[in-house]
Amino acid sequence: KAGVTQTPRYLIKTRGQQVTLSCSPISGHRSVSWYQQTPGQGLQFLFEYFSETQRNKGNFPGRFSGRQFSNSRSEMNVSTLELGDSALYLCASSLDSGEQFFGPGTRLTVL
Amino acid sequence: GEDVEQSLFLSVREGDSSVINCTYTDSSSTYLYWYKQEPGAGLQLLTYIFSNMDMKQDQRLTVLLNKKDKHLSLRIADTQTGDSAIYFCAERTGGKLIFGQGTELSVKP
Repeated sequence: KAGVTQTPRYLIKTRGQQVTLSCSPISGHRSVSWYQQTPGQGLQFLFEYFSETQRNKGNFPGRFSGRQFSNSRSEMNVSTLELGDSALYLCASSLDSGEQFFGPGTRLTVL
Repeated sequence: GEDVEQSLFLSVREGDSSVINCTYTDSSSTYLYWYKQEPGAGLQLLTYIFSNMDMKQDQRLTVLLNKKDKHLSLRIADTQTGDSAIYFCAERTGGKLIFGQGTELSVKP
């Protein structure tokens, strides 16, 4: 069974631009969560989607948004990028609870 | 509040056992997890334990949960150089995972 895939793996953007990251969960998994990992703040929860609905949301500004499609694939978008948005963005998939499997992440650098 | 604490560093000799400790604050956590992260990689799920369990063993890994003290530990038996990585403890609460800062395990030959 294929694992969680994230595209692209690396991305370089400049301040003020916007970016879209993609996550394909494990086949059959309907829950997709997004996390941001930075050296200073560690791993922080962004949001969770289940069956195309946002089920939980972390404490991030409205510039961070996401969505989930009917095939469970998810995208997250960051608008008006700031230097502090440079991070590793990780996606996790699960059936609903219990095991949470993470993808390899997208490394975003904002210049 | 929600908080997970871990010590930052642990150094062991190859062949010894490693014990990584974690404390959490939310008594309503449903699951507790251990993840491994190698440089430049994502998070690898090592094991997880349901909150009504005390112990779980999986090959070289043993997880102990003391729910009264909100203390979780991961024991790695016969630690190898390939176990060198950062280990994260996480609690699942309110539909999200709350992570500790990570413990960097260094295994010396």
